[in-house]
Amino acid sequence: KQEVTQIPAALSVPEGENLVLNCSFTDSAIYNLQWFRQDPGKGLTSLLLIQSSQREQTSGRLNASLDKSSGRSTLYIAASQPGDSATYLCAVRFISGGYNKLIFGAGTRLAVHP
Amino acid sequence: GAVVSQHPSRVICKSGTSVKIECRSLDFQATTMFWYRQFPKQSLMLMATSNEGSKATYEQGVEKDKFLINHASLTLSTLTVTSAHPEDSSFYICSARDGTGGFSPLHFGNGTRLTVT
Repeated sequence: KQEVTQIPAALSVPEGENLVLNCSFTDSAIYNLQWFRQDPGKGLTSLLLIQSSQREQTSGRLNASLDKSSGRSTLYIAASQPGDSATYLCAVRFISGGYNKLIFGAGTRLAVHP
Repeated sequence: GAVVSQHPSRVICKSGTSVKIECRSLDFQATTMFWYRQFPKQSLMLMATSNEGSKATYEQGVEKDKFLINHASLTLSTLTVTSAHPEDSSFYICSARDGTGGFSPLHFGNGTRLTVT
């Protein structure tokens, strides 16, 4: 069964800290992996998309890495700010079943306090 | 950038009635759209894959007669929750693929909060 797991489930840090969110997946046959941000009661905002042939992607203070062979991805947030408080979701596009779909992890709820 | 519009953002309905949710790709054509459901403090669970011009493919455990999906055009997919019950109350989110193939990005709507009283 294809599964995506995120650790930790929740994280609370003071403003300014650098932090790492972890994502693991059970099947290395993937098209890509995507990190999203979700604010309470809202839809999803795509942060970074890493294709299976790539090792990392960067956008501003965010850096996502992908190690397909070990089934792991990390999202690094530098110099965290209170506005970064949200739930961060990792989603993997697996190659299987005749069509492909996005499988989501349960998310990491991040709280950055001043 | 690619935009997916989902409507309505919130709906309250009485038990036993039907509710339709629309998902539109505004500036691209989407041959495939996906419908997700999210319960409080849980992640998104794929309900079904909507294919333009053909029947939707439902995930295991999702009742196709209860959650009717119509993908009538390249820019519109609708999800109708029939004979809604309080346990159907949830956050429903659609997504659309911009392009074909597994490497094309997915874009998400802002979701619909359904409350069944």
